[in-house]
Amino acid sequence: NAGVTQTPKFRVLKTGQSMTLLCAQDMNHEYMYWYRQDPGMGLRLIHYSVGEGTTAKGEVPDGYNVSRLKKQNFLLGLESAAPSQTSVYFCASSYTGTGNNQPQHFGDGTRLSIL
Amino acid sequence: AQKVTQAQTEISVVEKEDVTLDCVYETRDTTYYLFWYKQPPSGELVFLIRRNSFDEQNEISGRYSWNFQKSTSSFNFTITASQVVDSAVYFCALNTGGFKTIFGAGTRLFVKA
Repeated sequence: NAGVTQTPKFRVLKTGQSMTLLCAQDMNHEYMYWYRQDPGMGLRLIHYSVGEGTTAKGEVPDGYNVSRLKKQNFLLGLESAAPSQTSVYFCASSYTGTGNNQPQHFGDGTRLSIL
Repeated sequence: AQKVTQAQTEISVVEKEDVTLDCVYETRDTTYYLFWYKQPPSGELVFLIRRNSFDEQNEISGRYSWNFQKSTSSFNFTITASQVVDSAVYFCALNTGGFKTIFGAGTRLFVKA
């Protein structure tokens, strides 16, 4: 009964370092998303994927890359971390539907600090 | 432009009080979907309700109820007889059929025993 699992849960990086956040879902969902949550700003979409092998840019894609090599996994990469990327990152998944009107299932989040 | 406004940043109530969380949305689309999510202190967002633009019926689920009014572009959420476990951040969200869901900034609810 895992749902959406994110690893790691916490991470501290130095400016310029790189890292990858992993998201795994076991609900056979087609759609997956990466968001960042910043105080007073709600959630903003970074990238999303509508299926294995596909990715697309969201609202705030700069500085991030993603890959969806397997249907169940969606990776978010930071090639050269910047302090502005300090945030809480959420992965989500959902069933297909007309457009994107299906509710999203979220992971527990990854708290990332860039020093 | 699409926008979701949750004007209440924080609300504090005493247990058993009723509380209403406001959500005002903006869109020019005639077909859209509205959502409420709950983010408890543990961090994960939990889906509460979805409503499409053609269904203005209010909904009640236990102590939770939702009032959707297209005339005022509002989708308000009321918790009756609040409990400490209701303490969380609540997000209202709007989707007009694409892959971008617009989230409000959230309302943090504190329920004191």
